[in-house]
Amino acid sequence: GENVEQHPSTLSVQEGDSAVIKCTYSDSASNYFPWYKQELGKRPQLIIDIRSNVGEKKDQRIAVTLNKTAKHFSLHITETQPEDSAVYFCAASIPGNTDKLIFGTGTRLQVFP
Amino acid sequence: NAGVTQTPKFRILKIGQSMTLQCAQDMNHNYMYWYRQDPGMGLKLIYYSVGAGITDKGEVPNGYNVSRSTTEDFPLRLELAAPSQTSVYFCASSNLQGGNSPLHFGNGTRLTVT
Repeated sequence: GENVEQHPSTLSVQEGDSAVIKCTYSDSASNYFPWYKQELGKRPQLIIDIRSNVGEKKDQRIAVTLNKTAKHFSLHITETQPEDSAVYFCAASIPGNTDKLIFGTGTRLQVFP
Repeated sequence: NAGVTQTPKFRILKIGQSMTLQCAQDMNHNYMYWYRQDPGMGLKLIYYSVGAGITDKGEVPNGYNVSRSTTEDFPLRLELAAPSQTSVYFCASSNLQGGNSPLHFGNGTRLTVT
């Protein structure tokens, strides 16, 4: 069935360094790829998304890249700050009669001062 | 706008008890979803609805039921609670089809079944 794999499960970086989280998806017809940030005890919130007709999208310190041929997409956070510490989830749309999102298992990012 | 409102925030159930998790949104979104989040895992889709009167199963529907009598409300029913249903439950809504537009999540309901 449809599947989204996310790596790594945990990531520790020094403040100011970059962080990269990678996801692969199984359905080549997927066309929407959002990233959600979930702080401890809070709800997931969208931080950036990309559609299949675009290869890269940036929003200040975060960017997402998409490789449709390889069926993978990545989240890049530059100049990390302690407030970036959270769990990040990738997701991919599963086209069908009603589009649904399939989520990865999450990456716990810790940014040390 | 309050966005997506979930009640209760916390609940402890005994095995075999039943309860309804409430979800309401005031954004006039057609699409609504229920997800569960187990520790260290991602979000699994339980049920979803594309509009009033229409519901469908997600990835993990067993043990749950839903209804959608109005655009605003999408309650999730647990009939015979089991320990495997211990989880955090998130309701979400979206303006377009969920696969192609951002999901707006509620604050979640933390459910423990003992």
